[in-house]
Amino acid sequence: QVQLQESGPGLVKPSETLSLTCTVSGGSISRYYWSWIRQPPGKGLEWIGYIYYSGSTNYNPSLKSRVTISLDTSKNQFSLKLNSVTAADTAVYYCARAQDSSGPDAFDVWGQGTMVSVSS
Amino acid sequence: DIQMTQSPSTLSASVGDRVTISCRASQSISRWLAWYQQKPGKAPKLLIYKASSLESGVPSRFSGSGSGTDFTLTISSLQPDDFATYYCQQYNSYFTFGPGTKVDIK
Repeated sequence: QVQLQESGPGLVKPSETLSLTCTVSGGSISRYYWSWIRQPPGKGLEWIGYIYYSGSTNYNPSLKSRVTISLDTSKNQFSLKLNSVTAADTAVYYCARAQDSSGPDAFDVWGQGTMVSVSS
Repeated sequence: DIQMTQSPSTLSASVGDRVTISCRASQSISRWLAWYQQKPGKAPKLLIYKASSLESGVPSRFSGSGSGTDFTLTISSLQPDDFATYYCQQYNSYFTFGPGTKVDIK
């Protein structure tokens, strides 16, 4: 059974870069879309972007200028970098998988989430 | 971009009740709609995909319907484990989530 686990710093200073990694265990990275999704405290869910196993990416237009998602197939990991962070980027960050249905399907596997706070 | 709305924002119900949650897209998304359940401190859990397909392992009391811009999640007989927040999500163009519907105990 596939499991996802987020890892990375829980505290980032304003204007710096938030970096998180998602490790995929129990399955292959191939033929899926791998996304980052975030949820500010007490608020709803926001999709950040995805990377396809081929390496192609797609980002939320509202965050596109600050986001990079990359893939390391040798380690079965994918990563998020969000630069120039502010307090508004404080959130629980989830990684999630979507099946390939000639395009991404719904998110069927999620990590447990990791809280990232932006504060000096 | 496609906006998603949900109604109601909060729903008070009792065990055994039939519960219906509505979701509307700002433009047609065909049937590219999913429903998730989220409990406090936990990741969302996929319930329904492609508007009406039940995810493996999800109880059959959950069902989804709709196409185009209007969708519905129905819980046929509410169980104690179902008190949670429910989100709809479109994946026709990028991904957008609705604001959520909290189902609490009446």
